[in-house]
Amino acid sequence: EVQLVESGGGLVQPGGSLRLSCAASGFTFSSYSMTWVRQAPGKGLEWVANINQGGGDKYYVDSVKGRFTVSRDNAKNSLYLQMNSLRAEDTAVYYCARRAEGYWGQGTLVTVSS
Amino acid sequence: SYELTQSPSVSVSPGQTARITCSGDALPKRFAYWYQQKSGQAPVLVIYEDNKRPSGIPERFSGSSAGTMATLTISGAQVDDEADYYCYSSDSSGNQEVFGGGTKLTVL
Repeated sequence: EVQLVESGGGLVQPGGSLRLSCAASGFTFSSYSMTWVRQAPGKGLEWVANINQGGGDKYYVDSVKGRFTVSRDNAKNSLYLQMNSLRAEDTAVYYCARRAEGYWGQGTLVTVSS
Repeated sequence: SYELTQSPSVSVSPGQTARITCSGDALPKRFAYWYQQKSGQAPVLVIYEDNKRPSGIPERFSGSSAGTMATLTISGAQVDDEADYYCYSSDSSGNQEVFGGGTKLTVL
C-alpha cells in the first residue's frame, strides 16, 4: 500500500525557516517524480514544487522561487521541502504527492505568524 | 504565469448530469487531471490523463478534453458527490504545473 506521511509543520515567525519531510513507503520511491502542494485555509490547491526521480530537475511556483528548496533522498525514501524567509501568505497545509497517480499524504500545517 | 480557469460553482439536482469545465491555453498539448476534495479531507484523483478513471472511482465520473477546454462530467450526480473539484495540468513546457481555482459542486 502506498503511503506518504508528512512531518515538520508548525508555528514559525515571519522570516523564519522550516523543513518539511515526507516519508514514502509501499512503492519504489526512486522511480517516481514527486510534488509538494499546499492549501491555505479556506483557499484552493496550489502546486508548489516538483522534483524528478533522480533529484536533478526541480521546478517551483514563482511565489516560492529563491526561498524554498525541494530535495529527496532515495536511499531513505524521503522527500523534503526547505522553506526559508517564510511569509504570512505561506501559511497552509502542505501535502506531498505522487500527483499523477493520485497518492497524497495527510498534510502538515505550517503557520507563519508573530 | 500559466492559469487554468474554472467556474466557481455548479449546482444540480440529484440524478442530473453535472459538467465542470476547465480552460487553459496549453490543454491541447497537456493532459488534464481532476481532483475531488471534500471538506477537511485530502484530494482524491477522479480522472487522469484527460479521460481515464482510477480504480475505485464510480463510472458516473468521466472526463474529456477538446481544444483549450477540459470537462469533468458526473452523470447521475449524487448527494455524496458534493465537493470542490479542481483541474490540474501544466504549461506548454511541462515544467510549471497549476491547479484551477476550483468549482464547488452542490447537489440538492
